[in-house]
Amino acid sequence: GAGVSQSPRYKVAKRGQDVALRCDPISGHVSLFWYQQALGQGPEFLTYFQNEAQLDKSGLPSDRFFAERPEGSVSTLKIQRTQQEDSAVYLCASNIGGSINEQFFGPGTRLTVL
Amino acid sequence: AQSVSQHNHHVILSEAASLELGCNYSYGGTVNLFWYVQYPGQHLQLLLKYFSGDPLVKGIKGFEAEFIKSKFSFNLRKPSVQWSDTAEYFCAVNAGRDSSYKLIFGSGTRLLVRP
Repeated sequence: GAGVSQSPRYKVAKRGQDVALRCDPISGHVSLFWYQQALGQGPEFLTYFQNEAQLDKSGLPSDRFFAERPEGSVSTLKIQRTQQEDSAVYLCASNIGGSINEQFFGPGTRLTVL
Repeated sequence: AQSVSQHNHHVILSEAASLELGCNYSYGGTVNLFWYVQYPGQHLQLLLKYFSGDPLVKGIKGFEAEFIKSKFSFNLRKPSVQWSDTAEYFCAVNAGRDSSYKLIFGSGTRLLVRP
């Protein structure tokens, strides 16, 4: 079946602009994660949903970052008033639930803030 | 806070050489351990995982990893690498009792295998 998809694949924003990044998880996957990957680094956790409930948002770097998953499927990560330090690849992952189960990653959205 | 250290940022090997990539984590409780791989232009994908039982775990494409609890390590090995193993490798951990199940990743190791 289809894997995790993300859109857009690339986004260029001017500093101060708002952006919205979309994630379509694998159908039926309960858990959804967002990670941020800066150049030359490993992914860093941003937030986690179980169905529509956001159970952990401890990794969101500031109140400019907001994520939602209103119907327990598609998720959107929104960044307000983008800054240059927000430039990174934003990865979405999903799994069927449970810490021992594989997280399936999408291709990521590469955000460049000018 | 939990952290994961990968000792080698870049590794260059010739085909048929043996590979060992180091991974150490800092967390005293029950952990689940993972190795993910990202081939050029592709998504992150799981190579292997450990959550209990035999500490020697075998994964896809001939990779294996050994969990040594006393050393807080989970090193990745392959006896004979191929050119197609050129990729970036990430070690990751989550705390087994952490309800968020988030993964903590190392900074990755870029492996280049020369034909």
